[in-house]
Amino acid sequence: GEDVEQSLFLSVREGDSSVINCTYTDSSSTYLYWYKQEPGAGLQLLTYIFSNMDMKQDQRLTVLLNKKDKHLSLRIADTQTGDSAIYFCAEKRSGTASKLTFGTGTRLQVTL
Amino acid sequence: NAGVMQNPRHLVRRRGQEARLRCSPMKGHSHVYWYRQLPEEGLKFMVYLQKENIIDESGMPKERFSAEFPKEGPSILRIQQVVRGDSAAYFCASSDTGMTGGPGANVLTFGAGSRLTVL
Repeated sequence: GEDVEQSLFLSVREGDSSVINCTYTDSSSTYLYWYKQEPGAGLQLLTYIFSNMDMKQDQRLTVLLNKKDKHLSLRIADTQTGDSAIYFCAEKRSGTASKLTFGTGTRLQVTL
Repeated sequence: NAGVMQNPRHLVRRRGQEARLRCSPMKGHSHVYWYRQLPEEGLKFMVYLQKENIIDESGMPKERFSAEFPKEGPSILRIQQVVRGDSAAYFCASSDTGMTGGPGANVLTFGAGSRLTVL
């Protein structure tokens, strides 16, 4: 399909791990990204991964990439209330040098 | 070093009026991108500009929408004769190089957005 798909909502308890999933569309996408959007704010780049990698870790964040299934996930360890936000995955498709294609976003709610 | 500055943050227009949204990129950035976010949706690419040039406008509606990035001053996204369906958040992003380079060249810095409401 044409859309980058994400589940709409995820609720986790503070201190637990969060896993946000994304299915992208183009098997030849070169880069895949995770952005965070807090209420009323713009998008903040969290991390990105090259398509020839299958994992990237950056402090509490772990990105896993399954190219065969076109599946991307973001794991947040020790989730904090400050992690509550909307998380967008995005792909840079081959042949589209100028743009990113975004998913619909997953709203992460962290409860005490 | 201020980030990407957008104004106004909120804009209310009646149907048929014009909306002008402004974006000042980060200092040193000469590439500007506009994205639109409809309620409950992800961001959709609209247009990519460099100074005085439109590089890719494949996401722009064919009518009523235009964008510019003059040699001096901010980038402007202009919507003429607005309709209710134009109500959305419009985000501007900038980068120091274009999106064709390696990983460093693909980092976009986003502004906080301009939220347009059409009555």
